[in-house]
Amino acid sequence: SQQGEEDPQALSIQEGENATMNCSYKTSINNLQWYRQNSGRGLVHLILIRSNEREKHSGRLRVTLDTSKKSSSLLITASRAADTASYFCATSPGKLVFGKGMKLTVNP
Amino acid sequence: NAGVTQTPKFQVLKTGQSMTLQCAQDMNHEYMSWYRQDPGMGLRLIHYSVGAGITDQGEVPNGYNVSRSTTEDFPLRLLSAAPSQTSVYFCASSYSNGGTEAFFGQGTRLTVV
Repeated sequence: SQQGEEDPQALSIQEGENATMNCSYKTSINNLQWYRQNSGRGLVHLILIRSNEREKHSGRLRVTLDTSKKSSSLLITASRAADTASYFCATSPGKLVFGKGMKLTVNP
Repeated sequence: NAGVTQTPKFQVLKTGQSMTLQCAQDMNHEYMSWYRQDPGMGLRLIHYSVGAGITDQGEVPNGYNVSRSTTEDFPLRLLSAAPSQTSVYFCASSYSNGGTEAFFGQGTRLTVV
């Protein structure tokens, strides 16, 4: 059964705007990961945040983790048309369990 | 360094036929897994392996078999294809079981008619 659930399920923004995606999960985790999937392609790892971390940055990506609320957010700043993709959160311990994903559309 | 390679990219099967989806990785990863992706369902784990000779079931294992005779290869076998197995299949590998990033193949789009 899916552990993570992304919210919103779909988001459409203009280029240059920020995009925020949320992930809620149900059980204790060791880490939480975010992945991107371009249409018709495999998933690509974006960032991993461990359960003892609260915030992590990678380029235009900022991830936060609140283990007390069992939630995470992914912020993409200054979005580009190339950021158009589906985004998934995945949780561990053990085997990765993925959410259903959310579709981000960045309009030029 | 090719990463994770899946073959074939597309396949059409008739109900009842069997086939093997191939997956190979060249990163010396111990952990490999198979997922299926269906519209609105995200990725669901079929089978996984924590090393050569060791496999285990995931969330949706029925109708699929796996084996892991080498570190590099993790084939997925459909024993008797059913229309419900129409899906996109992804193979992934990682250094450890969930503790590090996973690398995905490009997927196999399977249609069972």
